[in-house]
Amino acid sequence: AQKVTQAQTEISVVEKEDVTLDCVYETRDTTYYLFWYKQPPSGELVFLIRRNSFDEQNEISGRYSWNFQKSTSSFNFTITASQVVDSAVYFCALIWTSGTYKYIFGTGTRLKVLA
Amino acid sequence: DSGVTQTPKHLITATGQRVTLRCSPRSGDLSVYWYQQSLDQGLQFLIQYYNGEERAKGNILERFSAQQFPDLHSELNLSSLELGDSALYFCASSALQGNEQYFGPGTRLTVT
Repeated sequence: AQKVTQAQTEISVVEKEDVTLDCVYETRDTTYYLFWYKQPPSGELVFLIRRNSFDEQNEISGRYSWNFQKSTSSFNFTITASQVVDSAVYFCALIWTSGTYKYIFGTGTRLKVLA
Repeated sequence: DSGVTQTPKHLITATGQRVTLRCSPRSGDLSVYWYQQSLDQGLQFLIQYYNGEERAKGNILERFSAQQFPDLHSELNLSSLELGDSALYFCASSALQGNEQYFGPGTRLTVT
């Protein structure tokens, strides 16, 4: 069965530290999409990145970077030089197709960046 | 601002009642998704519509139903409400299935 595991429930770091949020997924489909979303204290979910299963290139966007490795079924998210504004809950999500589209979110990782 | 609007922001109602949550997608988006976020069950996908048609169904209870209208706005109807239905209900939209979803601010439902 398809599954998304975010084993880290909560992480606390001091400002300017680097932090990696782990996401491990399970799917037997060859076509799927992986996402990261951020949910700040205000509550609204914000899209961060989308990756399809055929694109294993890593991506960097400012202080954010993502490492997609099909061999280990992981899609990890690293924040470099963390800032207090990065404090939020981060969700990893999987979308796959088997006839119809299916959507599943991980349980989220709460990141606390301390000043 | 994601461009997705949801009304109302807060809703307090009693057990056994029925409520309707409303969502307007981003301009141009044809897909609308509904999610339920509760403390004990995390973020659960409920249902998706694409251009008026139901396209995917998740963990949606039979007491819940949704529809998408010709102007693409969507409504989620929750009936025979129970205490356990208290949660944050999000609507999201995307241009195509499989694309990134843009979430609205959510409707916080409290069932007393």
